[in-house]
Amino acid sequence: QLQLQESGPGLLKPSETLSLTCTVSGDSISSSTYYWGWIRQPPGKGLEWIGSIYYSGSTYYNPSLKSRVTISVDTSKNQFSLKLSSVTAADTAVYYCARQWWFGEKRLDYWGQGTLVTVSS
Amino acid sequence: QSVLTQPPSASGAPGQRVTISCSGSSSNIGNNYVYWYQQFPGTAPKLLIYRNNQRPSGVPDRFSGSKSGTSASLAISGLRSEDEADYYCAAWDDSLSVVFGGGTKLTVL
Repeated sequence: QLQLQESGPGLLKPSETLSLTCTVSGDSISSSTYYWGWIRQPPGKGLEWIGSIYYSGSTYYNPSLKSRVTISVDTSKNQFSLKLSSVTAADTAVYYCARQWWFGEKRLDYWGQGTLVTVSS
Repeated sequence: QSVLTQPPSASGAPGQRVTISCSGSSSNIGNNYVYWYQQFPGTAPKLLIYRNNQRPSGVPDRFSGSKSGTSASLAISGLRSEDEADYYCAAWDDSLSVVFGGGTKLTVL
C-alpha cells in the first residue's frame, strides 16, 4: 500500500525558507506514470496546488508561487522536497504531498496526512 | 478567490439527492478532466471522482460526477450522515497548473 509522509519544521519566522520532505513508501518514486506533488491548505480555507515533480526532475509550478518555490527529488531515498522562500503569515497552512497521475489526466490519488506549518514572529 | 467556483454550502436530508456545482472556463473545465475530492475535518482530501465521472475502487456508486461545457457537478444520492464533509472540484488549467474550487461544505440535516 502506497504511503506518503511529510516531515519538516512546523514553525517558521517571516522571511525564512520553508523546507519540507515527503517520503514515499510502497512504490518507487521513479515510476514512469506519476508526478509527485505538493498541495497546501490555509486554516479554514480551500486547497491550493503548489507544484509537482517527475523522477527525472521535470517540474511544474503554480504560477502564483513560482518565483518562491523549488521542488526537488531524491530517487535514492524515494523522497521529494519542497522549498518555499521568503515566507509570510499567508504561507501558514497544512502542507500535503500526493501522488499525481500526469499523462492523460491529473488526478491526485494518494495523499500524505499533511503537516501544519505556521509562520509567526 | 478560487479559479473554479463552487457554492460554499449545500445540504440535504438523509436519503435525498444533492448536487454540488463547479463552474470554470474553457481554459480548465472546458478542455480538461474534472476531479472531485472529499475531505473530513482534520484529514487529508480523498479522491472521489476522476476523469469527470469515474469512481476509484471503494467509492460507493451513490457518488457520481458529470461535466457539460465549462461546468461540472457532483451528485450524491441516498444521502447519509457520513457524507457530511467538504467537497472540492479540481481541473488542469491552460496555465499549466491544477486549479481547485473553493470547496462546498455539505451538511446532512
